[in-house]
Amino acid sequence: AQSVTQLDSHVSVSEGTPVLLRCNYSSSYSPSLFWYVQHPNKGLQLLLKYTSAATLVKGINGFEAEFKKSETSFHLTKPSAHMSDAAEYFCVVSSNDYKLSFGAGTTVTVRA
Amino acid sequence: EAQVTQNPRYLITVTGKKLTVTCSQNMNHEYMSWYRQDPGLGLRQIYYSMNVEVTDKGDVPEGYKVSRKEKRNFPLILESPSPNQTSLYFCASSFGAGRTYEQYFGPGTRLTVT
Repeated sequence: AQSVTQLDSHVSVSEGTPVLLRCNYSSSYSPSLFWYVQHPNKGLQLLLKYTSAATLVKGINGFEAEFKKSETSFHLTKPSAHMSDAAEYFCVVSSNDYKLSFGAGTTVTVRA
Repeated sequence: EAQVTQNPRYLITVTGKKLTVTCSQNMNHEYMSWYRQDPGLGLRQIYYSMNVEVTDKGDVPEGYKVSRKEKRNFPLILESPSPNQTSLYFCASSFGAGRTYEQYFGPGTRLTVT
C-alpha cells in the first residue's frame, strides 16, 4: 500500500522569499517520488523526481527536494519565489510499476 | 510536437447519456492512464494500460470503461454517467510503467453531468 500526505493545503509567500512545500509518504517498498506543478487551467508538468539515486534532487525553475527515508518525507523547496510560481503542486509516490498515488495538492500564492 | 491530446475539453451532459472522452499521444508511449481531479482529493487513477489490449483498474474504476486497441489511443467511456462523475479528467502517458518514468499529461476535460 502507498499514500501521500501534503501537510499544507495552501501556502502564501512574498516574492523573493523561500518556499517550502511539505510531503510525507508511506510505502511498502522503496518508492519513487515526484513533484508535479499545475498552473491554472493547464495540465500537470513534472518538476523533479527521486528514483533511488541522489537524495537531493534538483528540478526545473530552481526547485529542489530532499528524500529523507528516516522521516518518510520529500519536501519541496525554492530559495526565492517568483510570481510565476503561483500554482498548485502535487507530491506523487509510486511503489510498484503501475500505480501512482497523488497527494491532495498545495496551492501556492505569491504576494508582490 | 510531443503531446497528449484530449477531446472534448469541456462537456455538459445529462444523467444516463453515454459519452466517450478521447485521448491520443504521439510519443509512442506504452503506458497510458486516466485520472480524475476533485477539489481536496488530488488526482485519483481510474484505469491504466501497460500496452495494447492490456488494461487494469486504478483506485476509482466504478462507472468507467476503457479500451486500448491502438498504442496511441486510450478512450474513456462512461456508459451511464451520473452527477458524481462531474469532475476534471486527465489522460497521461509515459514511455514505461509509472514507477520511474515521467508522466505526460493532457490538457484536461471538464465534465459536468446534470
